[in-house]
Amino acid sequence: GQQLNQSPQSMFIQEGEDVSMNCTSSSIFNTWLWYKQDPGEGPVLLIALYKAGELTSNGRLTAQFGTTRKDSFLNISASIPSDVGIYFCAGQRETSGSRLTFGEGTQLTVNP
Amino acid sequence: AAGVIQSPRHLIKEKRETATLKCYPIPRHDTVYWYQQGPGQDPQFLISFYEKMQSDKGSIPDRFSAQQFSDYHSELNMSSLELGDSALYFCASSLSRKYGNQPQHFGDGTRLSIL
Repeated sequence: GQQLNQSPQSMFIQEGEDVSMNCTSSSIFNTWLWYKQDPGEGPVLLIALYKAGELTSNGRLTAQFGTTRKDSFLNISASIPSDVGIYFCAGQRETSGSRLTFGEGTQLTVNP
Repeated sequence: AAGVIQSPRHLIKEKRETATLKCYPIPRHDTVYWYQQGPGQDPQFLISFYEKMQSDKGSIPDRFSAQQFSDYHSELNMSSLELGDSALYFCASSLSRKYGNQPQHFGDGTRLSIL
């Protein structure tokens, strides 16, 4: 089935550092989304990207929709302890109404 | 703002029993999706509904069925439960594409444990 390759699988950083993670796919998606999941909770939407080349920010988070429509990255600047969690990218064929295909997730640990 | 509500939050069943999971979408959302997340895994799409009709089907076992009701809430019915069905089950909702770009928002899930 559809595969999204997300890297890195885990990151251990110091508070205040910047973080970057990315997702790549062998096929095209028309929507890329980034979610954060805390233990025992559902994924929470961080950023949604709908247009190739689009660069969108949400506070300290910045994400880009790759121009080939086969990749996306997420940057977190000046990390804080509450950034700890699992970050998932997700691709969607249509702009809405269709299934999400998730990456394997990036486990982020922030040391105070 | 109101979020996606799932019930129950936790459910313990034995093998071969049945289970029903419920999902109440965000008000005005007309599309619901079900995902299954195993331990340490990413969510896997099961099935989705738009306007009470099945709109997409993923890797959902034949032992599972789902439906969407006129108030847009959805139920996932699971029968002949197996040990491997132990997982987190998430429901997500969105407005349909006729409203433009609409992301999916997730509930906090139902943790199903099969003994």
